[in-house]
Amino acid sequence: DAGVTQSPTHLIKTRGQQVTLRCSPKSGHDTVSWYQQALGQGPQFIFQYYEEEERQRGNFPDRFSGHQFPNYSSELNVNALWLGDSALYLCASSLGLAWAKNIQYFGAGTRLSVL
Amino acid sequence: AQKITQTQPGMFVQEKEAVTLDCTYDTSDPSYGLFWYKQPSSGEMIFLIYQGSYDQQNATEGRYSLNFQKARKSANLVISASQLGDSAMYFCAMREGGTGTASKLTFGTGTRLQVTL
Repeated sequence: DAGVTQSPTHLIKTRGQQVTLRCSPKSGHDTVSWYQQALGQGPQFIFQYYEEEERQRGNFPDRFSGHQFPNYSSELNVNALWLGDSALYLCASSLGLAWAKNIQYFGAGTRLSVL
Repeated sequence: AQKITQTQPGMFVQEKEAVTLDCTYDTSDPSYGLFWYKQPSSGEMIFLIYQGSYDQQNATEGRYSLNFQKARKSANLVISASQLGDSAMYFCAMREGGTGTASKLTFGTGTRLQVTL
């Protein structure tokens, strides 16, 4: 049973560039959430996708955008990269929006360095 | 105001001993869930245990138990019989809202646990 997979594992970009991160959810899951984890901090919620629509968004600028495909996989795009975008980007998958014990399972993350 | 507070940046525990990691939360929503995740140096967040706000009993999962004190708004993680492999960052997280709502998690700043021989 494949868990959540993310690619690439590491990425180095320069300021002003654009980046795309990819996530495949755990088998059977249809909801994908993205989080940003700066060094030494807890993850911060970016947005969540369900049925190919953005359902909830955290306090992140429009430079952060996403997409969910019919097979439930997802992409996170960041435009006009800043040094402050350097972080571990975590993808989490879950089943539907039903609240009761809706566990989010995480991938190993993509570590983005902006120089 | 912080929604999730973890006041212990670092903790040490000897192998085979029990350890308690503290977590307090703040919400006015009557429906919420509390989660603990483990993050080894590899980066992956590993789900450990869940407690719902309406659950009458404290959650347990193997060596992990959650000491849920609703009136005090605390959800401490207890790890029994610590093992060297338990050395990692531990995050407490909360989800607010009822059925059908989007389910973002709000995380604390984490506690680094080091298990020693």
